[in-house]
Amino acid sequence: DAGVTQSPTHLIKTRGQQVTLRCSPKSGHDTVSWYQQALGQGPQFIFQYYEEEERQRGNFPDRFSGHQFPNYSSELNVNALLLGDSALYLCASSLGVKNTEAFFGQGTRLTVV
Amino acid sequence: DAKTTQPNSMESNEEEPVHLPCNHSTISGTDYIHWYRQLPSQGPEYVIHGLTSNVNNRMASLAIAEDRKSSTLILHRATLRDAAVYYCIRPFDINSGGSNYKLTFGKGTLLTVNP
Repeated sequence: DAGVTQSPTHLIKTRGQQVTLRCSPKSGHDTVSWYQQALGQGPQFIFQYYEEEERQRGNFPDRFSGHQFPNYSSELNVNALLLGDSALYLCASSLGVKNTEAFFGQGTRLTVV
Repeated sequence: DAKTTQPNSMESNEEEPVHLPCNHSTISGTDYIHWYRQLPSQGPEYVIHGLTSNVNNRMASLAIAEDRKSSTLILHRATLRDAAVYYCIRPFDINSGGSNYKLTFGKGTLLTVNP
């Protein structure tokens, strides 16, 4: 079992650009959540996808959007990148939306310059 | 928002027990308590969760106070590998009467384990 896999592992982008991060959930999981983790802080919830729909959203601007595919994999898109978007982006998968035991990937380290 | 309070840091010696406290004084009757930990350079990892009674698994034990306003994560014999940030979380049901949960992380407790 490969667990939750995220790609790429590291990424450097320029202010104003757009970025797409990818996540493959743990086998058998149907729910994917995305988190942003700034240095020295706990992960902050961005949004959750289930049945290809956004089910919940945290306090993030519309520049952050996502998608879930029929195979349950997911993408996180960020438009008009700001320096403050530099962070570790984590994907978590679970079976169902209750997240009683969520499995996290290793994350994508995004640096905006 | 679903708040919990944890000490910023704690220190332990290898092979000794560790008790990590968490206060959640505004908890409701149906709120579970979840614990996750994050090792350096890794994503968070589920540790344990519980509602009312004490819970045990291969990683840790969770002791929940009778009034449920606090809980303690117990690592019975700390190892160097247990050095991590430990998060105490109340999954927050943002939809009244609904069943959707999200994990709201605070800053957690940084556990240092001395050899």
